[in-house]
Amino acid sequence: EAEVAQSPRYKITEKSQAVAFWCDPISGHATLYWYRQILGQGPELLVQFQDESVVDDSQLPKDRFSAERLKGVDSTLKIQPAELGDSAMYLCASSLAAYPPSGRAGAGELFFGEGSRLTVL
Amino acid sequence: DAKTTQPPSMDCAEGRAANLPCNHSTISGNEYVYWYRQIHSQGPQYIIHGLKNNETNEMASLIITEDRKSSTLILPHATLRDTAVYYCIVRVNTDKLIFGTGTRLQVFP
Repeated sequence: EAEVAQSPRYKITEKSQAVAFWCDPISGHATLYWYRQILGQGPELLVQFQDESVVDDSQLPKDRFSAERLKGVDSTLKIQPAELGDSAMYLCASSLAAYPPSGRAGAGELFFGEGSRLTVL
Repeated sequence: DAKTTQPPSMDCAEGRAANLPCNHSTISGNEYVYWYRQIHSQGPQYIIHGLKNNETNEMASLIITEDRKSSTLILPHATLRDTAVYYCIVRVNTDKLIFGTGTRLQVFP
C-alpha cells in the first residue's frame, strides 16, 4: 500500500540551528499538508499546497519557517533558526483532493506519514 | 478553531463495543463529520466520514443524529490495538482538517 514518506524520523538540534524536514506524498496526490503537533495536543495545520502553489499558510510562522514544493511532488519544511518551542512532531499528509473544496464525497481523505519528531535543546 | 466537543478520555473493555461521542452543534449543511485516530507515535489514520446518513465500514460505524448536532463512533469489538486518540472533525469535504484535542480511548484486557 502506498504511503507518505517522511525523513528524518527523529531530529535533535540546538536552538538557533537550521533544520529541514522532507516529505514525499503518495503518487498522484495533488494536495500536500504540513502539520505540527505539540505533545498532548491535536495536529495544527502549518501550510497547505495544491500542486506547487501554497493555498494556505496563515498559521506558518514566516519569520522562521519556510516550505516549498517546487515541482509539485515532494516538499521540504525548514526552520531557521530553531527555538525551544519548536520541539514537536511535524506531520506531512497528502490527498487526492483539489482546492478549493469540491464537496465531492470520498475525495477528502488525508493520508499521513509517520512524522518527524524534533527536539530543540 | 475546532468545531467539535469530545470527552478527553474513555475506557473500554476488550471485546466490548466502544462508543465515542462527539458534539458539533454548529455544523453547517455542507459540512461532513470525519473521524481519525492516532496511535501513539504514529500519524493520524482515517476511519470513516458521513454527512447525514449512518455509515459503516470495516473499521467502525458512524451514527449521526437526525439534527446532525452530534454523532457517535462505534468500534463494535474493541481490541487492545484500538487504544489511541480519536478525533472528530467537521469540514467541508476536501477542505483542510482542523483537529481538536480528541478522546483518548484506553482499551483494557
